[in-house]
Amino acid sequence: DTGVSQDPRHKITKRGQNVTFRCDPISEHNRLYWYRQTLGQGPEFLTYFQNEAQLEKSRLLSDRFSAERPKGSFSTLEIQRTEQGDSAMYLCASSVGGSGANVLTFGAGSRLTVL
Amino acid sequence: GQQVMQIPQYQHVQEGEDFTTYCNSSTTLSNIQWYKQRPGGHPVFLIQLVKSGEVKKQKRLTFQFGEAKKNSSLHITATQTTDVGTYFCAGPTGGFKTIFGAGTRLFVKA
Repeated sequence: DTGVSQDPRHKITKRGQNVTFRCDPISEHNRLYWYRQTLGQGPEFLTYFQNEAQLEKSRLLSDRFSAERPKGSFSTLEIQRTEQGDSAMYLCASSVGGSGANVLTFGAGSRLTVL
Repeated sequence: GQQVMQIPQYQHVQEGEDFTTYCNSSTTLSNIQWYKQRPGGHPVFLIQLVKSGEVKKQKRLTFQFGEAKKNSSLHITATQTTDVGTYFCAGPTGGFKTIFGAGTRLFVKA
């Protein structure tokens, strides 16, 4: 499979626990994005990496959220001390540079439910 | 901040009827993308428009980018049940991020 892979697909956790999501982008893509999507809404931008550098973070990304992309390959998104408001679909996307930079290929997402 | 608005929020059509969704940006866009998300699925890229006034067609789908590059539309001719889903427009900000509209959810009754 040469698409964007996300793991786990579903995560149910209790409030206050930490969770980590992993994203493996398309190998030729040097840009990686994390978005959050709640029911009935469009994807909301969280953060962006070009290679291993995190170049932009949304104000939505509180101190409890951290993302990494070591070696410019896979990325992880960690949420510490989860809250019920964190329940959402977390989408990872990747893109190439140049004229295709804004064409995002999304993974299937990681659905988080915080009880 | 920059916003991308879509109307309508949802639309119910009878199979065979046409459908149009509209997208408006608060600022001029260098380009605009359209995505489709099937129920339970993830957004899938449909098309990118770059030039002012550009019109592109994909079978029954017609995409248009406004002359001022602040608005866009997607028109589906003779809808089919396979067209069901949410259609999002998206555009780049001055930085690296792409922002999405809230989407138009299309329901098609057979």
